[in-house]
Amino acid sequence: SQKIEQNSEALNIQEGKTATLTCNYTNYSPAYLQWYRQDPGRGPVFLLLIRENEKEKRKERLKVTFDTTLKQSLFHITASQPADSATYLCALRSGATNKLIFGTGTLLAVQP
Amino acid sequence: GAGVSQSPSNKVTEKGKDVELRCDPISGHTALYWYRQSLGQGLEFLIYFQGNSAPDKSGLPSDRFSAERTGGSVSTLTIQRTQQEDSAVYLCASSLASGGSYNEQFFGPGTRLTVL
Repeated sequence: SQKIEQNSEALNIQEGKTATLTCNYTNYSPAYLQWYRQDPGRGPVFLLLIRENEKEKRKERLKVTFDTTLKQSLFHITASQPADSATYLCALRSGATNKLIFGTGTLLAVQP
Repeated sequence: GAGVSQSPSNKVTEKGKDVELRCDPISGHTALYWYRQSLGQGLEFLIYFQGNSAPDKSGLPSDRFSAERTGGSVSTLTIQRTQQEDSAVYLCASSLASGGSYNEQFFGPGTRLTVL
């Protein structure tokens, strides 16, 4: 069956360190993968998209990698700040439509 | 408004009642999505509208759930004979649909449904 897995346990890191979040998937061949941020009581907010033919994408302090052989994406936040504390969701395009399937998310807590 | 809006923000209902949840997408967005998020869980896809095409209803959990999109804009998600397990946050999103693969989704704030 198709599955998207993210670390269910919260990730606690110290301010200034690099946070690395993992998204693994099985039985998908996604054309692209997206990362979203969700704060409590709010809807998710789009951060980055990476296509299947791209290995890495950067935006300010954010970096996403996409390994279609390993079926894995890594999401990095460098020089993390307490304001980066949130739940981060990965999402895959499902089939030929624009429908996205989301992972369960990983809660990141950056300690000052 | 500039973003996706949803109403009501909170809805408390009794088991067995019907509820309607509304979503106003961003103007010009042809794709509209409904998701459900239970406490501490990820987003569960429910239904997807794309322009005038038949909606993708593959995520609807039962026939008590239905949705419509009038005039290619506003959408209503209806849950009939609500059950306690329907309690969740219902999120709506919209996106520009293009021939390519890029479709950043813009989410509304959600409707928190509580079934007593």
